Amino acid sequence: NAGVTQTPKFRILKIGQSMTLQCTQDMNHNYMYWYRQDPGMGLKLIYYSVGAGITDKGEVPNGYNVSRSTTEDFPLRLELAAPSQTSVYFCASSSESGSYNEQFFGPGTRLTVL
Amino acid sequence: DAKTTQPNSMESNEEEPVHLPCNHSTISGTDYIHWYRQLPSQGPEYVIHGLTSNVNNRMASLAIAEDRKSSTLILHRATLRDAAVYYCILRGNFNKFYFGSGTKLNVKP
Repeated sequence: NAGVTQTPKFRILKIGQSMTLQCTQDMNHNYMYWYRQDPGMGLKLIYYSVGAGITDKGEVPNGYNVSRSTTEDFPLRLELAAPSQTSVYFCASSSESGSYNEQFFGPGTRLTVL
Repeated sequence: DAKTTQPNSMESNEEEPVHLPCNHSTISGTDYIHWYRQLPSQGPEYVIHGLTSNVNNRMASLAIAEDRKSSTLILHRATLRDAAVYYCILRGNFNKFYFGSGTKLNVKP
């Protein structure tokens, strides 16, 4: 099992450019999440999905879009990059409800917008 | 959504126990308390979780106050590899996590 994989590892964007951060998991998890982490801060939830075709906003969704066409993939789209989106982005997945719902995190994508 | 409060940083000596506190005064009856840690340049990883009773696993112990408004993560013998940021998290619906700022643990040799 590769777990949760993210690409790219690093990216530098110019203001106004767009890009897609890729996230794939091979654990057959229905729940997937995107977080961003600014320097010295905790993670903040951007979007989440409870299954293919179902997504919803988290705490900080502005400036981002997501889609979930398959169980495995959950890409995050930045349409018009702004310096405020400079951050480390983490994707995570977990199984459905129950008392034990460990979230498995990917290694992160470090994005700089100049 | 319920929030958590943790000290910004703590320091411990190697091979001594460490108690990391967390306040969650607005916790609801169905919120599970999760602890994750984040090593430098990595994503967070699971440490332990609980609902009402104290919990033990191979990594740590979790002590939950009777009123559930606070909890303490206990590392029984800190090692240098335990130096990380530790997050106390309340699990919301759809298994959503709300991270606070965490406690940065420094372990001295």
